[in-house]
Amino acid sequence: GAVVSQHPSWVICKSGTSVKIECRSLDFQATTMFWYRQFPKQSLMLMATSNEGSKATYEQGVEKDKFLINHASLTLSTLTVTSAHPEDSSFYICSAHRDTDTQYFGPGTRLTVL
Amino acid sequence: AQSVTQLGSHVSVSEGALVLLRCNYSSSVPPYLFWYVQYPNQGLQLLLKYTSAATLVKGINGFEAEFKKSETSFHLTKPSAHMSDAAEYFCAVSDSGNQFYFGTGTSLTVIP
Repeated sequence: GAVVSQHPSWVICKSGTSVKIECRSLDFQATTMFWYRQFPKQSLMLMATSNEGSKATYEQGVEKDKFLINHASLTLSTLTVTSAHPEDSSFYICSAHRDTDTQYFGPGTRLTVL
Repeated sequence: AQSVTQLGSHVSVSEGALVLLRCNYSSSVPPYLFWYVQYPNQGLQLLLKYTSAATLVKGINGFEAEFKKSETSFHLTKPSAHMSDAAEYFCAVSDSGNQFYFGTGTSLTVIP
């Protein structure tokens, strides 16, 4: 149990386009999901906390207008990178609460912006 | 505030040898502590967690970790390394399971 999926697993896009990444909790409902960004050989950086039915809470320094988060249901959160640029290229990972004290992570989405 | 420090960004062990990955934490409240493993181009997989129950926690794949409050440590061990253990390992601390703070990670190499 506690499976979290992400789609797509890898996306390549042109600079200036927008990319949507989906995060789904497959076998449980998640009122809270989290979006992380990971640069090569580095740790995870929390970008935002996604709350079902309300606005996301962004970490300091993360542009909310660039990284749009929508948590429309208890099993789906989406991250849209708007007007992507090469510096947005990264590995994006989502996670979701199943138990009250543990996060379960998705497999990640690699974004490459040309 | 919570934080974790992982000593050693790279650890190499021989196959069959003891694995020891170090993690020290800082927390103003009783912490929840986690170890995650990440294989290349994949997400994080939970190895084990400590949430104020038994101080010696057993996880998957033969890993275990011991919570030592006096040393503010939560080191990860495995008696005998296997080639498949080669991966990146992250220690994380949380105050309530909501906000996680990750260490910088330790890359484990297993030498045949």
